[in-house]
Amino acid sequence: QKEVEQDPGPLSVPEGAIVSLNCTYSNSAFQYFMWYRQYSRKGPELLMYTYSSGNKEDGRFTAQVDKSSKYISLFIRDSQPSDSATYLCAMSDRGSTLGRLYFGRGTQLTVWP
Amino acid sequence: EPEVTQTPSHQVTQMGQEVILRCVPISNHLYFYWYRQILGQKVEFLVSFYNNEISEKSEIFDDQFSVERPDGSNFTLKIRSTKLEDSAMYFCASSPQGVGGNEQYFGPGTRLTVT
Repeated sequence: QKEVEQDPGPLSVPEGAIVSLNCTYSNSAFQYFMWYRQYSRKGPELLMYTYSSGNKEDGRFTAQVDKSSKYISLFIRDSQPSDSATYLCAMSDRGSTLGRLYFGRGTQLTVWP
Repeated sequence: EPEVTQTPSHQVTQMGQEVILRCVPISNHLYFYWYRQILGQKVEFLVSFYNNEISEKSEIFDDQFSVERPDGSNFTLKIRSTKLEDSAMYFCASSPQGVGGNEQYFGPGTRLTVT
C-alpha cells in the first residue's frame, strides 16, 4: 500500500537547527492531515492537525499542506534534543470511511546537543 | 489531561490461543479505533467503532478479530486464534468526532508477542 510515502531517514541535526519533514500522497480525496510524534515503543502522540491546504503554526511547529502537489510538511524551529523521536504523517479522506487514518512509515529524527 | 489507556502493556501468548486487548478511551469520546504496527512497518488501521457497532474494518480485520464495548468505559479487541504474524504493537485510539479524519488520540499500545 503506497498511498502515503515518507522518507524514513534517519535524520540527524544539531540542536537549534530547523528541521523539515515531508510526506507525499497519491489519494486526492485526502483532506485531513496530521503529524504524530512517536517515542520508542510508545503510542503516537498528536502534534498537529490541519484541514485542506495552508499553514498552521503551533509554537515551534509549523505544518504545511499543498494539496495541488499532494505534499505535506512539518517544520520544527529551534530543534531540541527532546524532539528526538519518530515523526509520522497521517491523513484521512471524508468519503465513506469514518476517520480511518493512513500513515506514512515515519521519519526518525535525532537532535544532538 | 485525559488520555487513552491500554492493558496489558505486553502480552505473550502461544499460537492458537485467544487474547483480549483492553482499552479505556477518553471519557467523552464517541469513536473508537484499533490500529496495529508490526515492527519496522507502518501503523495500519484495523477497525473503527461507533454507537456499538463496527463502522469500517480493513482487510486485516478478518473473522479471527472482534471488538466489543462491554460497558461504558472499556473497548476490547479479541483475537480468537493467534498466529505468529499477529505479533505487533496494537494501539487503541479515540476521537470526539468521527467524521473523516478528526483528531485521533492514541494509547500507549499493547505489545503482543505470539510464540
